[in-house]
Amino acid sequence: AQTVTQSQPEMSVQEAETVTLSCTYDTSENNYYLFWYKQPPSRQMILVIRQEAYKQQNATENRFSVNFQKAAKSFSLKISDSQLGDTAMYFCAFSLYSGAGSYQLTFGKGTKLSVIP
Amino acid sequence: EAGVTQFPSHSVIEKGQTVTLRCDPISGHDNLYWYRRVMGKEIKFLLHFVKESKQDESGMPNNRFLAERTGGTYSTLKVQPAELEDSGVYFCASSHSGPLTFGAGSRLTVL
Repeated sequence: AQTVTQSQPEMSVQEAETVTLSCTYDTSENNYYLFWYKQPPSRQMILVIRQEAYKQQNATENRFSVNFQKAAKSFSLKISDSQLGDTAMYFCAFSLYSGAGSYQLTFGKGTKLSVIP
Repeated sequence: EAGVTQFPSHSVIEKGQTVTLRCDPISGHDNLYWYRRVMGKEIKFLLHFVKESKQDESGMPNNRFLAERTGGTYSTLKVQPAELEDSGVYFCASSHSGPLTFGAGSRLTVL
């Protein structure tokens, strides 16, 4: 069975600064996907970024980037130039892929990020 | 494109009562998932539909939970009778060939 660990229950960052959220996982599989999801207060959870395990290059989406260390089973999220709208709960998730859009996600407990003006 | 819609957004019931949660996935998404987050714990997988068929229901906690997906469109998750430990946020998600799109969740409070 897979497990995902987020060791930082809460974090805060000053607006315009950079923050890194940690995530580690455990699996015996070699092919899998990793995700960061964001849930703003009272709103739906949205996908921030996705990484395929077979890709060595770290995924990037605008101000969001990951540091994927496969051997260490680490998948951290870096948010650059933090904005007030980044305030949210951030979930790291793992999934094997069974084809045809079939993902069964295993989530970490989440990190509550507060961006301070 | 309309997103994944869930209702009610919040339901408060007493122990022993019945509650039905509904999820309307994105049109054309064959895959529909239910997840649950109990306070302070991880979001846990409950079950996965492919169209109207249950692909995997290994996460369903017990037989008080019944999920259906009529005609492969919307899905309902019924809890009968509800217990205190069923309190939490129930998320629905759907996908076609890409990553999951989540709804805003239905918060269930059992008193």
